[in-house]
Amino acid sequence: NAGVTQTPKFQVLKTGQSMTLQCAQDMNHNSMYWYRQDPGMGLRLIYYSASEGTTDKGEVPNGYNVSRLNKREFSLRLESAAPSQTSVYFCAARNSGSRDEQYFGPGTRLTVT
Amino acid sequence: QQQVKQSPQSLIVQKGGIPIINCAYENTAFDYFPWYQQFPGKGPALLIAIRPDVSEKKEGRFTISFNKSAKQFSLHIMDSQPGDSATYFCAASINQAGTALIFGKGTTLSVSS
Repeated sequence: NAGVTQTPKFQVLKTGQSMTLQCAQDMNHNSMYWYRQDPGMGLRLIYYSASEGTTDKGEVPNGYNVSRLNKREFSLRLESAAPSQTSVYFCAARNSGSRDEQYFGPGTRLTVT
Repeated sequence: QQQVKQSPQSLIVQKGGIPIINCAYENTAFDYFPWYQQFPGKGPALLIAIRPDVSEKKEGRFTISFNKSAKQFSLHIMDSQPGDSATYFCAASINQAGTALIFGKGTTLSVSS
């Protein structure tokens, strides 16, 4: 039981390049989320998927797209990377219930030069 | 508009001290208030959480105090240890399927031995 996994762990891109961050969960949770973490800014929500087949914008969606491929997988795509997208990206999964815990993956550290 | 305000940004205490981290929220519809702990290079992990029907919750050395009328909640760490040195995030959400946690900006705690 791996929980939430993310690939890659590290990535360096040049401005204008594209890439997809992958996230998968094996907890059978309905909701999945993408956050970015920047120094002094906390965790800011980029996009989320309340359930398979639905996606919604969060606080900072510009420059990103997402795909909820199935219940397990939720990917984040940068179509044309910019230096402002240099950040640590976290995927999370959550099931509404009595404990309501949101589980995070280990993160992807992305640098755009 | 920042919906969850966290203070202080950083905190240094001696071993055995009782660091207190405070959070204030604006949305009265929030009804779930977790605290997350994050160590360097790792994803955030749930530490303790409270719902507004109680004023205090304790788990081991960690206690949440909740003041619904003031829209504030705080984390107290009793008998703090060097191993508690980490970044702590408060968060809030509406207990509804698929909704996202809104995080504070984080507090970096350093416990000196």
